[in-house]
Amino acid sequence: AQKVTQAQTEISVVEKEDVTLDCVYETRDTTYYLFWYKQPPSGELVFLIRRNSFDEQNEISGRYSWNFQKSTSSFNFTITASQVVDSAVYFCALSEARRGGTALIFGKGTTLSVSS
Amino acid sequence: GAGVSQSPSNKVTEKGKDVELRCDPISGHTALYWYRQSLGQGLEFLIYFQGNSAPDKSGLPSDRFSAERTGGSVSTLTIQRTQQEDSAVYLCASSSTGAHGYTFGSGTRLTVV
Repeated sequence: AQKVTQAQTEISVVEKEDVTLDCVYETRDTTYYLFWYKQPPSGELVFLIRRNSFDEQNEISGRYSWNFQKSTSSFNFTITASQVVDSAVYFCALSEARRGGTALIFGKGTTLSVSS
Repeated sequence: GAGVSQSPSNKVTEKGKDVELRCDPISGHTALYWYRQSLGQGLEFLIYFQGNSAPDKSGLPSDRFSAERTGGSVSTLTIQRTQQEDSAVYLCASSSTGAHGYTFGSGTRLTVV
């Protein structure tokens, strides 16, 4: 069975600190996709990044960076110089092949609180 | 439309009543997904559609839950004889292809009293 584990339930940091959100996954698929979503207090899920299993290059987008390591089945997310607006629940997700298509399986999320 | 639209945004219903939740996906998106998010929990996959067809209904929690999609567009999730444990936020998402990531709607917050 496919599974996504986000071991950190809650993280609290002070503005300008760097923070890393961990994500470990399990899959038997050879081709798969990994995602990160942000859910701010407003509730809407915001897509952050998609990474396919053949691309292990790290990616940086502004203050956000992602470290994908197939050897450890991890897809960690780092926010550099955190800001109060980064406070949200962050979900890691894994694509799962389903009959007729795919579905995303989500971890339970990590709640990040950034204080000023 | 520009985004995924869900209605109603909030619904309070009495235990035992039936409810219908609506999702209007992004125009042209062939895949549509329903998820449930209970308080403090992650997202639980319920069902997805490719066009009007639902190839995998295994995520539906009980036979009180059903969903349909017509015209490859709007989808309705129906919960019959609602129970208090059905209280949650029901999220809909659509995508052109599942592997490219979803666009989520704002959800319907269902409260069963």
